[in-house]
Amino acid sequence: GAGVSQTPSNKVTEKGKYVELRCDPISGHTALYWYRQSLGQGPEFLIYFQGTGAADDSGLPNDRFFAVRPEGSVSTLKIQRTERGDSAVYLCASSETGTWGEKLFFGSGTQLSVL
Amino acid sequence: GEDVEQSLFLSVREGDSSVINCTYTDSSSTYLYWYKQEPGAGLQLLTYIFSNMDMKQDQRLTVLLNKKDKHLSLRIADTQTGDSAIYFCAENENYGQNFVFGPGTRLSVLP
Repeated sequence: GAGVSQTPSNKVTEKGKYVELRCDPISGHTALYWYRQSLGQGPEFLIYFQGTGAADDSGLPNDRFFAVRPEGSVSTLKIQRTERGDSAVYLCASSETGTWGEKLFFGSGTQLSVL
Repeated sequence: GEDVEQSLFLSVREGDSSVINCTYTDSSSTYLYWYKQEPGAGLQLLTYIFSNMDMKQDQRLTVLLNKKDKHLSLRIADTQTGDSAIYFCAENENYGQNFVFGPGTRLSVLP
């Protein structure tokens, strides 16, 4: 695709529910990143994929958060038993090879609201 | 852990220069970046500088790096209303893919 696509753009859910957020990276990009941006703050790293494998998941806040990228392209961020504190914009980015210092291309994000 | 700090707001008049400042704590930072975020849009990489450089110029943008003081700045010459956005400073440590972002500076350009 022309850019990184994230769906849905907005998601409203109730506390305790399960949500899935989707990221479609730029075609051919092997590296994919998930970030979380709370209101008034900068993006916070969650997880980085190189191909199908999670190369660094040190930013996932707890075991309610999980992400997959089964075919090395589309990725899904899954959040179980959502809490109000999970409300944020979830950003996805991709880069061509994941080489150190390489340019990241960001999607517009999914605004998650947990009521 | 790493920390990146920025002032939160900056207001300038159209045509003036803007200077956005950033400080960071990680001495092993090897690349430092400036990203721009417009309302409802994803982050867009503006420019970056490698840590062995002290200045980089790219059209209206000038990046200055003081590695001793761990201070990074972004100067936008002839600021236009289209430059109004939030600007994020970011760094990543040696060979890492974990980018650490500052809180962002909201630039308002007044006509």
